[in-house]
Parts: sequence; structure tokens; C-alpha cells
Amino acid sequence: DAGITQSPRHKVTETGTPVTLRCHQTENHRYMYWYRQDPGHGLRLIHYSYGVKDTDKGEVSDGYSVSRSKTEDFLLTLESATSSQTSVYFCAISESLSQPQHFGDGTRLSIL
Amino acid sequence: QKEVEQNSGPLSVPEGAIASLNCTYSDRGSQSFFWYRQYSGKSPELIMFIYSNGDKEDGRFTAQLNKASQYVSLLIRDSQPSDSATYLCAVAKTSYDKVIFGPGTSLSVIP
Repeated sequence: DAGITQSPRHKVTETGTPVTLRCHQTENHRYMYWYRQDPGHGLRLIHYSYGVKDTDKGEVSDGYSVSRSKTEDFLLTLESATSSQTSVYFCAISESLSQPQHFGDGTRLSIL
Repeated sequence: QKEVEQNSGPLSVPEGAIASLNCTYSDRGSQSFFWYRQYSGKSPELIMFIYSNGDKEDGRFTAQLNKASQYVSLLIRDSQPSDSATYLCAVAKTSYDKVIFGPGTSLSVIP
């Protein structure tokens, strides 16, 4: 299995609080992604990164920011969490943009 | 029209039968095609990828690609209850484009 670790695995927090999710990889892949998955919507891309300090928006980026200061770490931040951001968040990595992606185990985030 | 479409299911097949999962895509120039399996409460897991027209076999799984008709299928032979999961189709237009995921098809293999 690809070496991808997401933390935390579960989190419950309150509306308006900041939340940061971490993705750590040991594969040295250039590309890293953050998705959210909700019933009826499938996987939706939030942001992705193509190198250190190089990031771009996905289809559902509003309310989210990301940072990548090292090849192995990709952080997703909800500056002020809202109940609509309750979801399961997956990190994925790939060697190139069109190559197969490998997923972390996910973070289940509940915002009350 | 969505870029990648799949029947949501659920698709139910008896144990030992062939399960056929279909995916259509909108961009005729798409080049890379992937199938992922996702068990309930787990993350997607890559099971097959195909780049050329025709069939690609891996154990009980066969991916079939028809670029002229813009569809890619996944056949699962000798279906087992452990194959019960949601199957996601994913497509990339070119090597410079992101992979786009379909909504997934839920498969249930009945013992």
C-alpha cells in the first residue's frame, strides 16, 4: 500500500472554529490532492498541489485553503468551519497529473 | 452532460455470476481510464487501469475500453460476496489533465 497517512482520522468540532487536516506521504510523489466525499456527490476535488508551494483550486475550493511546505506534507485548513463542511475528507497522491491516484484512509469530520 | 457517468445502482448479481459495470465519458480525446473499488467506510482502492482500446485482464477483473463509443466497462467474473462495494470509474483527458471521477456504482453480490 502507498504510504499515505491522514490525521486526525476523526474529528468533531463546532461551527466557526478553525480546523486543519494533515496528509503525510512517504512515496515522494509530486502530486497531492484533497477530496471530500458526500452521499449523492461522489468524490469532489477541493485543492491539489503539484509541488512545494504550488497549489491550485478544485471544483469545491470555497471555504478551504491548503499549504505544502514540504514534499511529504499537504495541509487542508477550514478557516471557519461550517456545518456544510461535515464530510469525509480523503487525501490522494500520484506521480503525475493523469496517473493513478492512491488514497489515504480518510478523515471523518463532523461540524456541529 | 456530466464528464463521467455511471449508473448508481445498486446492481445485484448472484454469487458466481459475471458482474458488468459500465462507465461513459464525454470527452472523445480522453486517454487514461481507471477503476477503483470502495468498500463502505473505506477509501477508494485502485484495481485496474487501461489506456488502449480493447480488453485488459487481471485475475477475475477485465477492463474493456471502447474509445469510439466512449465507454469503459469493468467485468468481474465469478463474483464473490467480498466484491460487494462501490466501483468508481475515473478518466483523464490527457497527461496534463486531472483525473475526473464518476459518481460510482454500488454492487451487491448475493450469496
